[in-house]
Amino acid sequence: AQSVTQLDSHVSVSEGTPVLLRCNYSSSYSPSLFWYVQHPNKGLQLLLKYTSAATLVKGINGFEAEFKKSETSFHLTKPSAHMSDAAEYFCVVSDRRRGGNKLTFGTGTQLKVEL
Amino acid sequence: DTEVTQTPKHLVMGMTNKKSLKCEQHMGHRAMYWYKQKAKKPPELMFVYSYEKLSINESVPSRFSPECPNSSLLNLHLHALQPEDSALYLCASSQEGRSQETQYFGPGTRLLVL
Repeated sequence: AQSVTQLDSHVSVSEGTPVLLRCNYSSSYSPSLFWYVQHPNKGLQLLLKYTSAATLVKGINGFEAEFKKSETSFHLTKPSAHMSDAAEYFCVVSDRRRGGNKLTFGTGTQLKVEL
Repeated sequence: DTEVTQTPKHLVMGMTNKKSLKCEQHMGHRAMYWYKQKAKKPPELMFVYSYEKLSINESVPSRFSPECPNSSLLNLHLHALQPEDSALYLCASSQEGRSQETQYFGPGTRLLVL
């Protein structure tokens, strides 16, 4: 069975400071991992994904994440926060299978960006 | 183009009504999904269609009835819903296969059951 733990339910940063959203996963085999962002009253937008290629993954809007197998972590970072980054962020692991794939979502981290 | 469209954006219905949610994608994806999302919670998978066949049903009540008329369209028929069914309903699609599994989500339909 796979699982995802997002270690912080809320993170608050000042505009222009670094962002760190933490995610740990559990998987019985090499996982596919994703970060999605959801702005208020919107659908989910893919930020980035890891699928066993490079361990440092670059995504949209300046976000990146590093896959660390030894730590079973996939933390999301951004060097400088912008007001538009305020949103809910979900760390997700994929169960690869035939007949569609099943995503396991973390509980989400609400990012607040203050002036 | 990685767009999944959903209609309507908002829906209000009574407990005796019948309504349908519609989802469409033109990315050539052969897997399509319905999710339910309550406020401040992650999405919960309801149904998965693969090559227009239902492959996963997450023990969803029969008052929700999915339909996949072709590879681009996915419907969710609603009948005799309860107020606790009020939520954001998200549709997603993906390629089939080991590496092409990213799910692309639509903007959702916000449903209110009175």
